[in-house]
This record gives sequence, structure tokens and C-alpha cells, in this order.
Amino acid sequence: DVQMTQSPSYLAASPGESVSISCKASKSISNYLAWYQQKPGEAYKLLIYSGSTLQSGTPSRFSGSGSGTDFTLTIRSLEPEDFGLYYCQQYYEKPLTFGSGTKLEIK
Amino acid sequence: EVQLQESGPGLVKPSQSLSLTCSVTGYSITSNYWGWIRKFPGNKMEWIGHISYSGSTSYNPSLKSRISITRDTSKNQFFLQLNSVTTEDTATYYCARWRFGVPGVMDAWGQGASVTVSS
Repeated sequence: DVQMTQSPSYLAASPGESVSISCKASKSISNYLAWYQQKPGEAYKLLIYSGSTLQSGTPSRFSGSGSGTDFTLTIRSLEPEDFGLYYCQQYYEKPLTFGSGTKLEIK
Repeated sequence: EVQLQESGPGLVKPSQSLSLTCSVTGYSITSNYWGWIRKFPGNKMEWIGHISYSGSTSYNPSLKSRISITRDTSKNQFFLQLNSVTTEDTATYYCARWRFGVPGVMDAWGQGASVTVSS
């Protein structure tokens, strides 16, 4: 299985700041990487796929980069509504696997 | 707009079977792919498997001997059955739709069904 190592596990930042979340795959997955956001009581939301393609409805302050084994989700100019859990997921091969999650807290 | 809703018992005894239903509105399950994913306490996530528009299935090898995903197209529902459960199957179970044209990416999710395995 492709192991996805996500860091940090916890992040706290103030509105207006920028943050980055890292996701590393145990083997090359090309750009077959997606990012999701989950807020308490809400359904998961797909943010980005193909490493850097924004899903319809994802604010432009979100961006994804990387290919191969190293990927980054960046959120510029944090908004209060950006709190939640963030996950990366590879879909290069089955079984689909996820990172361990990053909890983003807005100060 | 597609909506997915999981339903099923919140408590299952060890060695019994866990059965969950995903009811889909706003989109036909005879199109696209539909999957199950679970999140364990502590936030680890695991892909369970999926069923295609034609009814073919694909399962996580770690669970393959214990799971079955089926569907009822007349009710626009698909189902998860997990046999011989243990306390390690305690998790929140989610159903989701794959994004069209991007196999393996899930663009619509249910809110999840919490399942506890305990005697």
C-alpha cells in the first residue's frame, strides 16, 4: 500500500496568515493526489484534486502543489471558516489511502 | 444537487455483522462510482471499497474477506455489510460519490454514521 505521511498534525494560525500542510507518499504517485476538508457536523469537502486543480467552489486562497512524492496544501490569507480537519489522499493505486490528518485551528 | 445519507445501527455486538445503507438523492447510482470510507477514533481514515455504475465492486484487500457492497437501483441506495466485526471496526462510516472523470476522488460525501462495536 502507498503510505501517506501528513504533517503537521496540528496547526494554529490567525486570520490573514498563510499556512501550509505537507503530504509525502511512500512511492511516486505522479499527481494523483486530492485534498479534503472536514468540519464538525459537516460532510467532507473536496478541495483539490490532481495535486493542484481546484474543485468547483473551492476559494482561490487554497492552492495545491507537488508531484511524485511530495505535495503541499497552502491556504493564503486564512479566513475564520477555514478551521477544520484536512486530509490528503492518493488515488494512484488501490487501495486508496489517506494521510493522518491535520487539525487547523484559527486563533 | 446530490445528497448522500448513511443509516444503520449505531451499536453492533462483536462477531456480528454490520449493515449500513447509503441513500442517494439528486443523482442516479447507475452513473458513476460509489464508495464507503471509515474514520477511526483518532482520525485515521480507511477506504473500504466501492461499487460501480454497472454493479461491479472493488474492495480493500485488508477487508476483502469480510465485506460486501451491494445496491438497489430501484431505491437509489447502496449498502455495506461487514461481517465478523470486532472492537477494531468501531468507526464513523461514510458513503461517497467519485468525481466523474477522476476515479478515486470523492466529490460528495454523506455526514457519516457512527458505529460502535461492543458487547
